[in-house]
Parts: sequence; C-alpha cells; structure tokens
Amino acid sequence: GGIITQTPKFLIGQEGQKLTLKCQQNFNHDTMYWYRQDSGKGLRLIYYSITENDLQKGDLSEGYDASREKKSSFSLTVTSAQKNEMAVFLCASSSRIDTQYFGPGTRLLVL
Amino acid sequence: GDSVTQTEGLVTLTEGLPVMLNCTYQTIYSNPFLFWYVQHLNESPRLLLKSFTDNKRTEHQGFHATLHKSSSSFHLQKSSAQLSDSALYYCALSGTNKVVFGTGTRLQVLP
Repeated sequence: GGIITQTPKFLIGQEGQKLTLKCQQNFNHDTMYWYRQDSGKGLRLIYYSITENDLQKGDLSEGYDASREKKSSFSLTVTSAQKNEMAVFLCASSSRIDTQYFGPGTRLLVL
Repeated sequence: GDSVTQTEGLVTLTEGLPVMLNCTYQTIYSNPFLFWYVQHLNESPRLLLKSFTDNKRTEHQGFHATLHKSSSSFHLQKSSAQLSDSALYYCALSGTNKVVFGTGTRLQVLP
C-alpha cells in the first residue's frame, strides 16, 4: 500500500497573496493530479503531470501554477488568492490511467 | 475530447429501494477504463469499482456495474439502498492519457 500526504491541512490567506500547496506520494506512481472541489460540488482538474518535470493543464488552470520537481511530489501555487475564496484542493496519484488515489485535501480560506 | 455524462445531480430514495445511477461516456479510444468513485461527507473520493471489459459485470461492496461499449454506458446499481450509501458518486473515464470525471451524482438515502 501507499499514502498521499498533503500539506498544509488548512490554509488561510489574504487577498492577492501567493499560496503554495504540497503533495507527496509513496506509491511510486508516475501520474499526479490537482483538483479543486467547491463545497458540495464536483471535482475540477487544475493540473496533472504524467512524469517528473511534466505539466499538463486541466480545465481550471488559470490562476494556478504547478511544479513536479520529482516523481514523488507535486506542488500547486495559487498565484493571487481571491477574496472570500473557499475550497478544498485534492491531490491524487495513479499508475498511468489506472485507479486514482486521493490525499486528504487542503482546505483553503481567503480572507 | 473525452467526456462523461451523469444526468442526475441528485437522487433521493428510501432505504431498501434499488439504486441506479446513470453514466454515459464519449471517447475515440477503443479500450477505455471506466470507474466509479464514491465520496462520503468530509472524506476524499475513493474507488468503488472499475472495468475495461465489455459486457462483464463488476461488483464491489454490494454495488455492480457493466460496461456496455455498444451504448457507451457504465451505470451503477445496487439492489437495496442503505443509509450509509448516502454520498457523492463520480463516474470517470480513462481513454488516452488522462482521466475525465463526470460532474457527480449525489445519492441521498432516507429512512
């Protein structure tokens, strides 16, 4: 088995601030994903990466940057936090296009 | 591009009644993987079941689904709903090099 760790668990930011979320996995999966989930809503893909140093935009990439420095880690940056923004950011990993395993999420609140 | 359609946003039914959540998909890939993920309140999504074999029933935890390539469908069924089945259910497709999620169906089971 393996585990996905996301840090921090909670993130409170100020409007206009640059915020970074981190994800680590020990499954040795090649593909990693970042999703955003607004309260009660579905998953929206922000970025994914099929290998180290690869980045692919999802449907919601505007306003975000991502970085895959090594196989086990995938970071997401909110480039300019929007006032009153509130969402959960979920990281996931998979072996190619097989089952995705999700982390516990980072809950973001922008004041 | 690939797409997944879940027509019902919310399904409400009484405990003990059968469950059917609809999922249809579009892809040019001839051998897609189809998945059902479940997300309970305050938890992350996790795999419920998956299939890539045409016309073969897949079962897990009382739920079952059959991939029908002729109709591009992968409906989720259960013979008798339980209160603990209340959750958000996602159908997902792996066609080429990424996974596409449907918008999700919230299942609400009432006593």
